[in-house]
Parts: sequence; C-alpha cells; structure tokens
Amino acid sequence: AQSVTQLDSHVSVSEGTPVLLRCNYSSSYSPSLFWYVQHPNKGLQLLLKYTSAATLVKGINGFEAEFKKSETSFHLTKPSAHMSDAAEYFCVVSEETSYDKVIFGPGTSLSVIP
Amino acid sequence: GAVVSQHPSRVICKSGTSVKIECRSLDFQATTMFWYRQFPKQSLMLMATSNEGSKATYEQGVEKDKFLINHASLTLSTLTVTSAHPEDSSFYICSARVIGRALGGEQYFGPGTRLTVT
Repeated sequence: AQSVTQLDSHVSVSEGTPVLLRCNYSSSYSPSLFWYVQHPNKGLQLLLKYTSAATLVKGINGFEAEFKKSETSFHLTKPSAHMSDAAEYFCVVSEETSYDKVIFGPGTSLSVIP
Repeated sequence: GAVVSQHPSRVICKSGTSVKIECRSLDFQATTMFWYRQFPKQSLMLMATSNEGSKATYEQGVEKDKFLINHASLTLSTLTVTSAHPEDSSFYICSARVIGRALGGEQYFGPGTRLTVT
C-alpha cells in the first residue's frame, strides 16, 4: 500500500539557516509528488511538484526538492529560512489506483527562531 | 489563476442542525472536487470525491447520509453536514483539479471552513 512518511513532526531552525524537511514515500510505480504549505487556519498552497520531469524541482519562495527514486525520497530544502516560512508543511503523493486522488503525509511543523 | 473559494470561512451551529459549505472554482472548471477534513495539528483526511453530475464517492468510514455532497456545476460543489454534533467540529477543506489537465497533476485548495458545533 502507498504511504508517505515525514520523518520529523517538528523542525526548528534559526532565521537565515538552511531548512531540510524530509519526506519518504512508498509506491510500486513512479508517482507524482508535491509539497504544500499551510499557514495557521489557512488553506494549502502548492510549493512545488514533481511529475516525472527533472528530478530537482524548484518551487516558490526559494524552496526546492529533489526526487531520489533509489531512496524513495522527496526532501524539501531552502538555503536560508525566513520568519515567514514558519508553517505546516505536507508532503503529498498521487494515489496509485486513482491519479485524481492524493495521499497526505502527517505534516512537519516548521518553527523559525529570530 | 486556479483559485478556489469556500464559504463560509467560519460557522458555529447548534447540535442537531445542518450546515452547508460551498466550494467554488473561481477561474477554472473542475469536473472533480475533493472534500477533506482536518483535525487540529493533524493532516488532511480525504472524505469524498465529488464528481460533477454524478454521485460522490465516499472514503471508507465516512457516512454519506451525514455528509451530503452535491456537485451541481463545473464550478460549485457543496458539502452539507446534517444533524451536526460536537464531534463534527473540524476544519473542512475542498480542492479541485483543473479540467483537462493531465492526471496526477496538482489540486488547488480552498481556504477552508472552520465548523464549530455547540
């Protein structure tokens, strides 16, 4: 069965330092993968997506992620954290049996310390 | 482009009453919309897939008679929580796929509706 694992439920970084949010997935095929960000009491905003093109994907707000099939990973990174990056981040994978549906990871809460 | 709205953003209702939440795609058409539920500090759980002109498909464990979904047009889907109880209090989020886009593409999410049942 498909699944998405976000290894850290909470990550705390200092402003200006790099951000690494980890995501691993399990799938018997090549899925589409996404990262979404959710600020408190808000909807979700797409940061970036991988859909079998370039393995290094650049998104909005300086975020990027690299698809590594051998490691079944899709980690999200940013070189320098900003206070406004504090939010909940979800790694999402398209479902195997229905490309319309997606499966959400449990989320990682990012805190940025001034 | 690809904006999804939800109305209302917040609603408080008394136990036993029904509440309708609207999800609209503002600048695109969507044959398929999705309804999610999110408990505090938890991830999103898919409740149902709403298909324009046909019955919704509910996920296992979701009561279709309690959570009525209607997808009357290519830009509007509604979720009605019937006979609401305090345990139905949650954050409800809808999303939509852009019609014609390749399968496996991203969904566009609404801002969510905070339901509180007293």
